[in-house]
Amino acid sequence: DTEVTQTPKHLVMGMTNKKSLKCEQHMGHRAMYWYKQKAKKPPELMFVYSYEKLSINESVPSRFSPECPNSSLLNLHLHALQPEDSALYLCASSPVGGAPDEQFFGPGTRLTVL
Amino acid sequence: GENVEQHPSTLSVQEGDSAVIKCTYSDSASNYFPWYKQELGKRPQLIIDIRSNVGEKKDQRIAVTLNKTAKHFSLHITETQPEDSAVYFCAASYNNNDMRFGAGTRLTVKP
Repeated sequence: DTEVTQTPKHLVMGMTNKKSLKCEQHMGHRAMYWYKQKAKKPPELMFVYSYEKLSINESVPSRFSPECPNSSLLNLHLHALQPEDSALYLCASSPVGGAPDEQFFGPGTRLTVL
Repeated sequence: GENVEQHPSTLSVQEGDSAVIKCTYSDSASNYFPWYKQELGKRPQLIIDIRSNVGEKKDQRIAVTLNKTAKHFSLHITETQPEDSAVYFCAASYNNNDMRFGAGTRLTVKP
């Protein structure tokens, strides 16, 4: 399996809902990432997990909560989001933790917050 | 932190012409410079990358050059084709997994 997969593809949620985004890779990669991408903008780094430990948190609001249960799986828990959080959420992985390398992106989850 | 600037924001060329996109970075410690192509509604995909110990790298119609002293790197696409139309992002990264993207260049190749 040479791809990063993400579920769901689309998600619509109200501001009081709790939902989770899921990301999976079976390439043996040891670094995993969450990015947020607004329309016509570049991906914006949110979190980095290196060897299943959170290594970078780019001052993301606490309504976004990442979790890395194992080396293949990355979750993003969402709670009390705002309409401005609507965006494409991209997951990525790269072979080595703690070192720059090619990042393989998933197809993204398009999130709409009503 | 690292800051990456990318120019131009839009670029339109005729099929068969060359396209050049330029990026500058601020952190002299950055040592990895990938270029990603993102088609509408699709995920970003790596098209070429270069590390700071190399000045130039080529892969068929695509080449990247790096000037460490000036802290800039460029993407060159020769013999452009309509399927090259997409948004291209440069990025810079150093000795961790923190990668910063440029603002993107929307390339249109007219048949």
